[in-house]
Amino acid sequence: NAGVTQTPKFQVLKTGQSMTLQCAQDMNHNSMYWYRQDPGMGLRLIYYSASEGTTDKGEVPNGYNVSRLNKREFSLRLESAAPSQTSVYFCASSLDSLNEQFFGPGTRLTVL
Amino acid sequence: SQQGEEDPQALSIQEGENATMNCSYKTSINNLQWYRQNSGRGLVHLILIRSNEREKHSGRLRVTLDTSKKSSSLLITASRAADTASYFCATAPSPNRDDKIIFGKGTRLHILP
Repeated sequence: NAGVTQTPKFQVLKTGQSMTLQCAQDMNHNSMYWYRQDPGMGLRLIYYSASEGTTDKGEVPNGYNVSRLNKREFSLRLESAAPSQTSVYFCASSLDSLNEQFFGPGTRLTVL
Repeated sequence: SQQGEEDPQALSIQEGENATMNCSYKTSINNLQWYRQNSGRGLVHLILIRSNEREKHSGRLRVTLDTSKKSSSLLITASRAADTASYFCATAPSPNRDDKIIFGKGTRLHILP
Protein backbone atom coordinates (compact mmCIF):
# COMPACT_ATOMS: atom_id res chain seq x y z
CA ASN A 1 0.00 0.00 0.00
CA ALA A 2 1.32 3.45 -0.93
CA GLY A 3 -0.68 5.28 1.78
CA VAL A 4 -1.14 8.94 0.83
CA THR A 5 0.59 10.17 -2.30
CA GLN A 6 0.95 13.75 -3.48
CA THR A 7 2.11 15.26 -6.74
CA PRO A 8 4.12 17.24 -7.54
CA LYS A 9 6.81 17.26 -4.84
CA PHE A 10 8.11 20.71 -5.83
CA GLN A 11 6.63 23.52 -7.88
CA VAL A 12 7.60 27.08 -8.73
CA LEU A 13 4.91 29.40 -10.07
CA LYS A 14 4.76 32.99 -11.16
CA THR A 15 2.18 35.30 -9.60
CA GLY A 16 -1.15 34.80 -11.35
CA GLN A 17 -0.48 31.30 -12.64
CA SER A 18 -2.79 28.45 -11.73
CA MET A 19 -2.08 24.88 -10.74
CA THR A 20 -3.65 21.82 -9.15
CA LEU A 21 -2.09 19.75 -6.41
CA GLN A 22 -3.08 16.11 -6.56
CA CYS A 23 -3.62 13.77 -3.63
CA ALA A 24 -4.67 10.13 -3.52
CA GLN A 25 -5.05 7.54 -0.76
CA ASP A 26 -5.43 3.79 -0.99
CA MET A 27 -6.63 3.09 2.56
CA ASN A 28 -10.37 3.40 1.83
CA HIS A 29 -10.57 6.40 4.14
CA ASN A 30 -13.66 8.56 4.21
CA SER A 31 -12.09 11.87 5.26
CA MET A 32 -9.41 13.83 3.45
CA TYR A 33 -7.69 17.13 4.25
CA TRP A 34 -5.47 19.80 2.79
CA TYR A 35 -3.11 21.74 5.10
CA ARG A 36 -0.47 24.35 4.60
CA GLN A 37 2.56 24.63 6.86
CA ASP A 38 4.50 27.85 7.26
CA PRO A 39 7.44 28.50 9.61
CA GLY A 40 6.21 29.23 13.13
CA MET A 41 2.55 28.72 12.16
CA GLY A 42 2.12 25.01 12.55
CA LEU A 43 -0.42 23.27 10.32
CA ARG A 44 -3.43 25.22 9.12
CA LEU A 45 -6.42 23.49 7.56
CA ILE A 46 -7.34 24.81 4.12
CA TYR A 47 -10.20 22.49 3.12
CA TYR A 48 -11.65 19.27 4.38
CA SER A 49 -13.80 16.51 2.89
CA ALA A 50 -15.69 14.36 5.39
CA SER A 51 -16.81 11.93 2.70
CA GLU A 52 -17.03 11.54 -1.06
CA GLY A 53 -19.10 14.36 -2.49
CA THR A 54 -18.71 16.79 0.40
CA THR A 55 -16.19 19.54 1.05
CA ASP A 56 -15.91 22.12 3.80
CA LYS A 57 -13.80 25.21 4.40
CA GLY A 58 -11.07 25.14 6.99
CA GLU A 59 -9.18 27.93 8.69
CA VAL A 60 -7.55 29.47 5.57
CA PRO A 61 -9.64 28.68 2.43
CA ASN A 62 -9.27 31.99 0.57
CA GLY A 63 -7.50 31.63 -2.77
CA TYR A 64 -8.07 27.87 -2.98
CA ASN A 65 -10.65 25.46 -4.35
CA VAL A 66 -10.94 21.72 -3.89
CA SER A 67 -12.53 18.75 -5.61
CA ARG A 68 -13.26 15.39 -4.03
CA LEU A 69 -13.12 13.50 -7.32
CA ASN A 70 -13.95 10.12 -5.77
CA LYS A 71 -13.24 8.36 -2.50
CA ARG A 72 -9.53 8.08 -3.29
CA GLU A 73 -8.68 11.49 -4.70
CA PHE A 74 -8.83 15.03 -3.31
CA SER A 75 -7.29 17.85 -5.34
CA LEU A 76 -6.40 21.41 -4.35
CA ARG A 77 -6.45 24.17 -6.95
CA LEU A 78 -4.85 27.60 -6.89
CA GLU A 79 -6.64 29.67 -9.52
CA SER A 80 -4.35 32.72 -9.39
CA ALA A 81 -1.26 32.10 -7.30
CA ALA A 82 0.05 34.81 -4.99
CA PRO A 83 3.40 35.04 -3.15
CA SER A 84 1.49 34.61 0.15
CA GLN A 85 0.68 31.07 -1.00
CA THR A 86 4.33 30.09 -0.89
CA SER A 87 4.25 27.22 1.58
CA VAL A 88 4.50 23.49 2.08
CA TYR A 89 1.19 21.76 1.38
CA PHE A 90 0.21 18.48 2.99
CA CYS A 91 -2.63 16.19 2.14
CA ALA A 92 -3.92 13.79 4.79
CA SER A 93 -6.64 11.18 5.16
CA SER A 94 -8.38 9.42 8.01
CA LEU A 95 -11.07 6.81 8.47
CA ASP A 96 -13.31 9.53 9.87
CA SER A 97 -12.89 13.02 11.26
CA LEU A 98 -12.00 11.86 14.79
CA ASN A 99 -9.40 9.25 13.96
CA GLU A 100 -5.67 9.41 13.32
CA GLN A 101 -4.60 11.12 10.14
CA PHE A 102 -2.13 9.77 7.62
CA PHE A 103 -0.06 12.36 5.81
CA GLY A 104 1.47 12.56 2.38
CA PRO A 105 5.09 13.67 1.84
CA GLY A 106 4.14 17.26 1.00
CA THR A 107 4.43 19.66 -1.92
CA ARG A 108 6.84 22.58 -1.66
CA LEU A 109 5.35 25.48 -3.57
CA THR A 110 7.10 28.76 -4.30
CA VAL A 111 5.23 31.64 -5.89
CA LEU A 112 7.46 34.35 -7.35
CA SER B 1 -11.33 27.34 18.17
CA GLN B 2 -9.87 24.68 20.45
CA GLN B 3 -6.32 24.78 19.26
CA GLY B 4 -3.83 22.78 21.21
CA GLU B 5 -0.78 24.73 22.27
CA GLU B 6 2.46 22.93 22.91
CA ASP B 7 4.99 23.93 25.51
CA PRO B 8 7.91 24.43 25.28
CA GLN B 9 8.34 25.68 21.72
CA ALA B 10 11.83 24.17 21.61
CA LEU B 11 13.70 21.69 23.76
CA SER B 12 17.30 20.45 23.68
CA ILE B 13 18.38 17.52 25.84
CA GLN B 14 21.25 15.05 26.02
CA GLU B 15 20.84 11.64 24.46
CA GLY B 16 19.57 9.19 27.04
CA GLU B 17 17.60 11.78 29.00
CA ASN B 18 13.82 11.93 29.10
CA ALA B 19 11.92 14.57 27.12
CA THR B 20 8.58 15.97 28.23
CA MET B 21 6.30 18.10 26.09
CA ASN B 22 2.99 19.57 27.14
CA CYS B 23 -0.20 20.49 25.31
CA SER B 24 -3.05 22.65 26.53
CA TYR B 25 -6.43 23.11 24.85
CA LYS B 26 -9.56 25.16 25.37
CA THR B 27 -12.77 23.19 24.91
CA SER B 28 -14.10 19.67 25.32
CA ILE B 29 -12.55 16.94 23.24
CA ASN B 30 -13.28 13.44 22.01
CA ASN B 31 -9.60 12.57 21.86
CA LEU B 32 -6.14 14.08 21.68
CA GLN B 33 -3.45 12.89 19.31
CA TRP B 34 0.31 13.31 19.15
CA TYR B 35 2.27 13.40 15.91
CA ARG B 36 5.96 13.58 14.99
CA GLN B 37 7.42 15.39 12.00
CA ASN B 38 10.97 14.81 10.85
CA SER B 39 12.54 17.66 8.93
CA GLY B 40 11.12 17.94 5.44
CA ARG B 41 8.64 15.09 5.90
CA GLY B 42 4.92 14.66 6.53
CA LEU B 43 3.53 14.13 10.01
CA VAL B 44 3.41 10.65 11.48
CA HIS B 45 0.80 9.65 14.04
CA LEU B 46 2.27 8.48 17.35
CA ILE B 47 -0.55 7.91 19.80
CA LEU B 48 -4.22 8.71 20.39
CA ILE B 49 -5.71 9.09 23.87
CA ARG B 50 -9.47 9.27 24.35
CA SER B 51 -11.17 11.67 26.73
CA ASN B 52 -12.04 8.86 29.14
CA GLU B 53 -8.43 7.66 29.34
CA ARG B 54 -5.81 9.11 31.68
CA GLU B 55 -2.61 7.47 30.49
CA LYS B 56 -1.40 5.52 27.51
CA HIS B 57 1.90 3.89 26.61
CA SER B 58 3.52 2.94 23.33
CA GLY B 59 7.10 1.72 23.48
CA ARG B 60 9.18 4.60 24.89
CA LEU B 61 6.25 7.00 24.70
CA ARG B 62 3.93 7.81 27.55
CA VAL B 63 0.98 10.16 27.12
CA THR B 64 -1.17 11.51 29.93
CA LEU B 65 -4.43 13.41 29.69
CA ASP B 66 -6.02 15.59 32.36
CA THR B 67 -9.41 16.74 31.09
CA SER B 68 -10.04 18.82 34.23
CA LYS B 69 -6.97 20.92 33.41
CA LYS B 70 -7.45 20.56 29.65
CA SER B 71 -3.88 19.44 29.22
CA SER B 72 -1.81 16.51 28.00
CA SER B 73 1.83 15.58 28.18
CA LEU B 74 4.06 13.44 25.98
CA LEU B 75 7.05 11.79 27.65
CA ILE B 76 9.80 10.20 25.57
CA THR B 77 12.04 8.07 27.75
CA ALA B 78 15.72 7.29 27.07
CA SER B 79 15.89 9.69 24.13
CA ARG B 80 17.85 8.86 20.99
CA ALA B 81 19.29 10.98 18.20
CA ALA B 82 16.52 9.68 15.93
CA ASP B 83 13.94 11.34 18.23
CA THR B 84 15.07 14.75 16.95
CA ALA B 85 11.93 16.10 15.30
CA SER B 86 8.96 18.40 15.83
CA TYR B 87 6.09 17.06 17.91
CA PHE B 88 2.51 18.24 17.50
CA CYS B 89 -0.62 17.68 19.52
CA ALA B 90 -3.99 17.68 17.80
CA THR B 91 -7.40 17.87 19.43
CA ALA B 92 -10.47 16.11 18.04
CA PRO B 93 -13.73 17.78 19.03
CA SER B 94 -16.49 16.19 21.04
CA PRO B 95 -19.19 14.59 18.88
CA ASN B 96 -21.80 16.83 17.29
CA ARG B 97 -19.56 19.87 17.22
CA ASP B 98 -18.82 21.47 13.91
CA ASP B 99 -15.13 21.70 14.61
CA LYS B 100 -12.30 19.90 12.88
CA ILE B 101 -9.15 18.39 14.31
CA ILE B 102 -6.80 21.28 14.99
CA PHE B 103 -3.04 21.04 15.30
CA GLY B 104 -0.86 23.08 17.60
CA LYS B 105 2.31 24.82 16.44
CA GLY B 106 4.58 22.09 17.74
CA THR B 107 7.58 21.55 19.97
CA ARG B 108 10.98 21.27 18.28
CA LEU B 109 12.99 18.59 20.06
CA HIS B 110 16.74 18.35 19.54
CA ILE B 111 18.66 15.43 21.01
CA LEU B 112 22.30 16.28 21.63
CA PRO B 113 24.91 13.51 21.20
